[in-house]
Order: sequence, then C-alpha cells, then structure tokens
Amino acid sequence: GNSVTQMEGPVTLSEEAFLTINCTYTATGYPSLFWYVQYPGEGLQLLLKATKADDKGSNKGFEATYRKETTSFHLEKGSVQVSDSAVYFCALTGNEKLTFGTGTRLTIIP
Amino acid sequence: EAQVTQNPRYLITVTGKKLTVTCSQNMNHEYMSWYRQDPGLGLRQIYYSMNVEVTDKGDVPEGYKVSRKEKRNFPLILESPSPNQTSLYFCASSPSLGQGARDIQYFGAGTRLSVL
Repeated sequence: GNSVTQMEGPVTLSEEAFLTINCTYTATGYPSLFWYVQYPGEGLQLLLKATKADDKGSNKGFEATYRKETTSFHLEKGSVQVSDSAVYFCALTGNEKLTFGTGTRLTIIP
Repeated sequence: EAQVTQNPRYLITVTGKKLTVTCSQNMNHEYMSWYRQDPGLGLRQIYYSMNVEVTDKGDVPEGYKVSRKEKRNFPLILESPSPNQTSLYFCASSPSLGQGARDIQYFGAGTRLSVL
C-alpha cells in the first residue's frame, strides 16, 4: 500500500534559519503530493501541493519539488519566522484516500 | 464562508455511552472523511464517503460507524465508546479524490474526545 515517511521531530530552529523537512513516499501510479500545516489548536490546512513529477509547489515562502526518481517531496524555507511554528504533515493521494506522514513539530525561537 | 464544521469541539464521556460527532460542509463536496490524530501516529483514516449513501472503511474503522444520507453531513457515531478511542478527531471534505488538483482536503477544527 501507499506510505509516507517524514523526518522525525521535534525540530527547533532560530528565527531566520534555513528549514528542511524531509519526506519520502511509496506509492503505485502517479499520486499527488501535499504538505499540510496544523497551527496550535486548529485543523489542518493545505500549505502547498504538486500533482506531477518535477512540479514545484510553493506558498508563504515554503517550497517543495515532486521528485519521482528519489520518491521525495522535501519541504524547504529559506528564512523561518516565529509564526511558522506548527506541525507539518506530508501526504499523498491514492486508492481513494489521503495518506499522511506522522507529522513534524517545528518550533522557531526568536 | 466555505468551511467544514464539527461539533462538539470538546467532549468528555464515559465508557459505553453512545455519542455522535457531527460534521457538515457547505462546499457541495462529494468526498468526506473522518480521521483520528494520536501522538506519534499522525492522522489515520477511520471512514470515508465518496458520495451520498456510499461509505467505506479506512485504516482504523473498529468501534465507529458513519452515515451519509445527505451530501453536506457525515456524522461519526461511537456506539459504545472505550478509553482507547480517546483522541483528536478531524472531519474533512474534498471535491473529489484521485484527480490531481481536485484532491485538496478541507479540514474541520477538530473534536477532542476523552472517554473515561
């Protein structure tokens, strides 16, 4: 079946640091890939997506590129802010469902 | 405003007392789903529905029931709750699934359930 493996957390960074959260996947066919973000006390919301190989999703300074050859969709941001503190989930669609990774808690220190 | 609404947001109950968590969406979405979120396990799908009167089991359906009599509503029913169902529950909806750009899921704010 489909599965998503993402970087274990928690991750703590200083403000303006560079962020990478790794995500790799196993899937049949050509899934769409997503990053969702969960701010404290809220539900998940879509951060960015990519629907085919070599697509780059971007939003709010975050980027991720759909790499079919390495089955990866790593999340990056050049300069993080305190407001980016949240839990980040990598996910993919396939077999009529959305499969999530376990989530990575990110804390940004001023 | 487009949204997915879950009620209640917080619920404390006792073992064996039947409860229902409601979920409603106002976006005319075909696909709806329930997840539970537990520390270290991420989100796991309980049940999903591709359309009215069409429901199917997700990864962890035991102890739960759902129904989809109307497009906008997808209640989650716990007939006899047990402590291992203490969790954070999310309802989500989507225009469809498996169609690329239409795959985006919209989540409710969550229901935190404690079963004593």
